[in-house]
Amino acid sequence: GAVVSQHPSRVICKSGTSVKIECRSLDFQATTMFWYRQFPKQSLMLMATSNEGSKATYEQGVEKDKFLINHASLTLSTLTVTSAHPEDSSFYICSASTGLAGGSRQFFGPGTRLTVL
Amino acid sequence: GEDVEQSLFLSVREGDSSVINCTYTDSSSTYLYWYKQEPGAGLQLLTYIFSNMDMKQDQRLTVLLNKKDKHLSLRIADTQTGDSAIYFCAESRQGGNTPLVFGKGTRLSVIA
Repeated sequence: GAVVSQHPSRVICKSGTSVKIECRSLDFQATTMFWYRQFPKQSLMLMATSNEGSKATYEQGVEKDKFLINHASLTLSTLTVTSAHPEDSSFYICSASTGLAGGSRQFFGPGTRLTVL
Repeated sequence: GEDVEQSLFLSVREGDSSVINCTYTDSSSTYLYWYKQEPGAGLQLLTYIFSNMDMKQDQRLTVLLNKKDKHLSLRIADTQTGDSAIYFCAESRQGGNTPLVFGKGTRLSVIA
């Protein structure tokens, strides 16, 4: 099946720094990528929808200036957490869609665990 | 708005069947999914069902959908210790190219 990778898998950073997380579709072109956040023992919550070549659409309550999303190519989307704070510590998961309607054509990455000290 | 509910915990003995239940509120849901998440890992798609289906079976997994009651279940036959994980129910209106709405997940513990 289609493979989505994320890098890094785990990152620890100091408060106030910025962290970039990459999401790549390895063997297919992803017209749409989604970024989710999962707090401990919670469900996944959609942060934003990213379409290649256009600005991301953010969910209510997600600060677009804090969580910068770039989807510059059909195989890569990046999420940059700017001026990270401890409350940003979470598990960030991306998913990628081929853009075709129906079924399971959304594939999830393995996630990135961010810890902000 | 959209909402997906699941019970939080389930404990079964090895070899027994597990049944994880899920309810959703969006009558426009067209695709319903079951994902498995092991500790510290991402999501693994187990199976999905289209809203015009009542049942789907794939080896040890059986999905039942009651669209009238907006109820979805996942049955795992002959549950093994390796099945211990969190199982998420999710729904979407238009399938893979739209975001999914997830339940809080059911933690399945399998007792040897």
